[in-house]
Amino acid sequence: EAGVTQSPTHLIKTRGQQATLRCSPISGHTSVYWYQQALGLGLQFLLWYDEGEERNRGNFPPRFSGRQFPNYSSELNVNALELEDSALYLCASSFSGGNQPQHFGDGTRLSIL
Amino acid sequence: QKEVEQNSGPLSVPEGAIASLNCTYSDRGSQSFFWYRQYSGKSPELIMSIYSNGDKEDGRFTAQLNKASQYVSLLIRDSQPSDSATYLCAVNPHDMRFGAGTRLTVKP
Repeated sequence: EAGVTQSPTHLIKTRGQQATLRCSPISGHTSVYWYQQALGLGLQFLLWYDEGEERNRGNFPPRFSGRQFPNYSSELNVNALELEDSALYLCASSFSGGNQPQHFGDGTRLSIL
Repeated sequence: QKEVEQNSGPLSVPEGAIASLNCTYSDRGSQSFFWYRQYSGKSPELIMSIYSNGDKEDGRFTAQLNKASQYVSLLIRDSQPSDSATYLCAVNPHDMRFGAGTRLTVKP
């Protein structure tokens, strides 16, 4: 069974640019979650999508946005990139519902120069 | 008060010992509880799920849940150097909230 896949593995951008990160969930999973993990810090919840709808959002500015497609894949968009956006961005998927265990992809490392 | 709190460590135990990792949470409505292991530079890996009070064992791992005390723990028996990692506690009232993690080092 294929796991959660994320692309790209690494992404280098400059301040002010826009970044798009992509995630494909495990087959059968309809929920997708996005997290930010800055170097040496814990996981910060960004967004939760389930069945194509945004279900919850963490304490991040509106320039962090995303969507979920009909095939349950998802993308995270970060506009007006700032230096502090440099982090590992992790996507996780689960079966529908808020109490299911989440399975993580390998992440996208976003570096802002 | 943080939603999910863990001792940051580092916790160091000798090979073969029992490692005990603790976690407290603030939301009494929490229904599901998870432990993840994260090796440096890697993504978190689910190692245990627990939903009801008591103990749940899986190989060398035992998760313990006490909802009245809002406390969940992970015991690792016969600790191995390969267990050296950061262990994340996650609690799910409506969406997942992670603790900051406890760094465990198992010394040969």
